Amino acid sequence: QVQLQESGPGLVKPSETLSLTCSVSGYSISNGYYWGWIRQPPGKGLEWIGTIHHSGSTYYNPSLKSRVTISGDTSKNKFSLEVSSVTAADTAVYYCARVTRSLTGCYDYWGQGSLVTVSS
Amino acid sequence: QSALTQPASVSGSPGQSITISCTGTSSDVGGYNYVSWYQQHPGKAPKLMIFDVSNRPSGVSNRFSGSKSANTASLTISGLQAEDEADYHCSSYTSSSTLRVFGGGTRLTVL
Repeated sequence: QVQLQESGPGLVKPSETLSLTCSVSGYSISNGYYWGWIRQPPGKGLEWIGTIHHSGSTYYNPSLKSRVTISGDTSKNKFSLEVSSVTAADTAVYYCARVTRSLTGCYDYWGQGSLVTVSS
Repeated sequence: QSALTQPASVSGSPGQSITISCTGTSSDVGGYNYVSWYQQHPGKAPKLMIFDVSNRPSGVSNRFSGSKSANTASLTISGLQAEDEADYHCSSYTSSSTLRVFGGGTRLTVL
């Protein structure tokens, strides 16, 4: 059974960098599929952040691209998200998920989510 | 404002059928068969219910079905059950610079 687990600080100060890691078990990320990050501000809908393939190819939401970096570590079966220069608008539950195809696929396995609050 | 438009809420009684719409444009919903639907219970992660417009993943009840007409995709839940009460989100690929879009979500209440 594929399982994903987000980890990282729950509180980040404005202007600093948000960093989260997604640990994957039950499937080797180097075997294929794509891996993505999605966020959900409190009381709002879902927003796509970006997607990575084990080859290193990445795709980002243009509205966040200048501040977002997604990277992968196949040796540890993990992938990570960094969002720089955060503001209160970046406060959200951040989910990692497996993606069946790069940009056209669906998210078939999700982590439980990690709430990140941006506040001084 | 979300790129795909969903009603904020829908409701139905146990045993009834309901349909949730997801309206986009010819650049997303209308142009490609890459619409997916997710169920989200309060405080939980989303769960995939429908992919590629009308396909059900293994383990999802056949009470859930998806369809599309022009720029609007729909999720239909038949034989409503109390456990279906949740938020439902649609998503699509888009050929616009955004690449990937979601709807704002629909709260389903089982009366």
